[in-house]
Amino acid sequence: AQTVTQSQPEMSVQEAETVTLSCTYDTSESDYYLFWYKQPPSRQMILVIRQEAYKQQNATENRFSVNFQKAAKSFSLKISDSQLGDAAMYFCAYRTAEMDSNYQLIWGAGTKLIIKP
Amino acid sequence: DTAVSQTPKYLVTQMGNDKSIKCEQNLGHDTMYWYKQDSKKFLKIMFSYNNKELIINETVPNRFSPKSPDKAHLNLHINSLELGDSAVYFCASSPKPGRKLYYEQYFGPGTRLTVT
Repeated sequence: AQTVTQSQPEMSVQEAETVTLSCTYDTSESDYYLFWYKQPPSRQMILVIRQEAYKQQNATENRFSVNFQKAAKSFSLKISDSQLGDAAMYFCAYRTAEMDSNYQLIWGAGTKLIIKP
Repeated sequence: DTAVSQTPKYLVTQMGNDKSIKCEQNLGHDTMYWYKQDSKKFLKIMFSYNNKELIINETVPNRFSPKSPDKAHLNLHINSLELGDSAVYFCASSPKPGRKLYYEQYFGPGTRLTVT
């Protein structure tokens, strides 16, 4: 069974600096999808970025980028120029690409990101 | 336009009561989910329906019963509420998986259930 591990329960960063959140996963599959979701204090779950395993290029979305290391099964999220609005819980998630799957996301435990003004 | 909506957003009730949470999505998605998020923020899948058919039914007490009248709606009914049921419940939806960009799950705003 697949698992997702976020080893940092909490991280803090100074405003305007860069922070990297770690995520590792375990799978025997070769094709899958990876996601980072953000949950601010409003509790709304918001998709930050996605990565398809068959794409070698790391995904980027404005100040958010990932470092996808397929062999190492690592999927870290880098936030550049951190802003106060980035303060949130960040969840890493995995989904198989198999068409006959039950479409379930496998979630990490989350990392709380604190932004220091 | 709200993509995934849940009602109510807050629900305070006493032990033993029966309550329902409603979820609707206007995205045309085929699959809908219910998650429970506990006080430590851990997300646990409870149920999933694909086009009104139950496809995920995790180990949850049978006091919890999902109902999907159509593929745009997935309601959660909880009987005989217990203190441990206090949590935030999220509804989510996703399109039928395929090699398309929009295969992620879209979440509702959550329902904070407090059982006293």
